[in-house]
Amino acid sequence: NAGVTQTPKFRVLKTGQSMTLLCAQDMNHEYMYWYRQDPGMGLRLIHYSVGEGTTAKGEVPDGYNVSRLKKQNFLLGLESAAPSQTSVYFCASSYPPEQFFGPGTRLTVL
Amino acid sequence: KQEVTQIPAALSVPEGENLVLNCSFTDSAIYNLQWFRQDPGKGLTSLLLIQSSQREQTSGRLNASLDKSSGRSTLYIAASQPGDSATYLCAVRAGGGNKLTFGTGTQLKVEL
Repeated sequence: NAGVTQTPKFRVLKTGQSMTLLCAQDMNHEYMYWYRQDPGMGLRLIHYSVGEGTTAKGEVPDGYNVSRLKKQNFLLGLESAAPSQTSVYFCASSYPPEQFFGPGTRLTVL
Repeated sequence: KQEVTQIPAALSVPEGENLVLNCSFTDSAIYNLQWFRQDPGKGLTSLLLIQSSQREQTSGRLNASLDKSSGRSTLYIAASQPGDSATYLCAVRAGGGNKLTFGTGTQLKVEL
């Protein structure tokens, strides 16, 4: 039982490049989330999903897209990366009420 | 808009001391409050979850209390150890989708 896993762990992008972050969970949870964590800002919700095939915007969705084609996977896409998207990205899953977090992806955009 | 505040931002204590971490939130209409621990460069580990109808939850040396009407929660750590050194985050659920609003955390250092 791996819990919540994230791929990749680290990535460096140049401004304008695109990439996809993958989150996978093996707990059969319905709900999944993408957060970003910045110094002094705490964790902020980017997008979330309440079930396979559904997505919804969180607090800071601009510049990101998501897809939940399979229940166990939640993908976060950056179409045209900007330096402001340099951050640590965390995925979480939930069988309410508790949320379980992945180890994070550290993304640097130059 | 729900805002969650944690004071102090950083705390250093000697080993063995009992300590209290504070969390306050602006909108008392919450479903639950969750305390997390985050080690440097790592993800978040859930410590305790308190439902809105509960007053406190305990796990080992940790005790979390909730006063919903005043918008406050405390995390009490008994007999602190160097291994307790981490950042502690509180988060509240106040709407649908089980979405959480996080505080910015308290960075705890327990010294030998």
